[in-house]
Amino acid sequence: QKEVEQNSGPLSVPEGAIASLNCTYSDRGSQSFFWYRQYSGKSPELIMFIYSNGDKEDGRFTAQLNKASQYVSLLIRDSQPSDSATYLCAVTSSSGDKLTFGTGTRLAVRP
Amino acid sequence: EAGVTQSPTHLIKTRGQQATLRCSPISGHTSVYWYQQALGLGLQFLLWYDEGEERNRGNFPPRFSGRQFPNYSSELNVNALELEDSALYLCASSKLQGNTGELFFGEGSRLTVL
Repeated sequence: QKEVEQNSGPLSVPEGAIASLNCTYSDRGSQSFFWYRQYSGKSPELIMFIYSNGDKEDGRFTAQLNKASQYVSLLIRDSQPSDSATYLCAVTSSSGDKLTFGTGTRLAVRP
Repeated sequence: EAGVTQSPTHLIKTRGQQATLRCSPISGHTSVYWYQQALGLGLQFLLWYDEGEERNRGNFPPRFSGRQFPNYSSELNVNALELEDSALYLCASSKLQGNTGELFFGEGSRLTVL
């Protein structure tokens, strides 16, 4: 089992729709969860982090965490073509000495 | 504020040679992380340095090594290069102590091994 799993996609949504990106992780003791966005040919940039169960909203982005199910998600409301990128889920180890990334989900927003 | 800077941008080597990649963190950041991003494999954790010490390393052979200097810059050395070492090597820094996951990445060094 991979430490952090994501569907590779591509996930294709029309402009203005809600994009839902999902991630599962294997380390039950993990405490910190992150979403990075990576445009083609660019380096990853942090867009959201969440530490507690529940929802965390920041503008058009909402991160959701369910530690019991070992599940993290990212919702993007009112998707724009500029949101087209690969979204990487990242999870810190229970010992706090490593950040593990999933392979990413490619999102394509159709105009 | 200058971001994380990496050099060189591109590097071409042949099998068996050594490669050295360099990274300067954001001013005030003491932790530096190295990741390998090979095609189709995602970001693989290589090394974490904090305050000049190696704090953790990923599942890579010993020919991948590095160090952090007193000014917190870092270098990654890859000895006895193999074809599968061809990848984008990303350096990141963090302003928070400990491996909190809030990383700022450089633009990477692309290593090609022929």
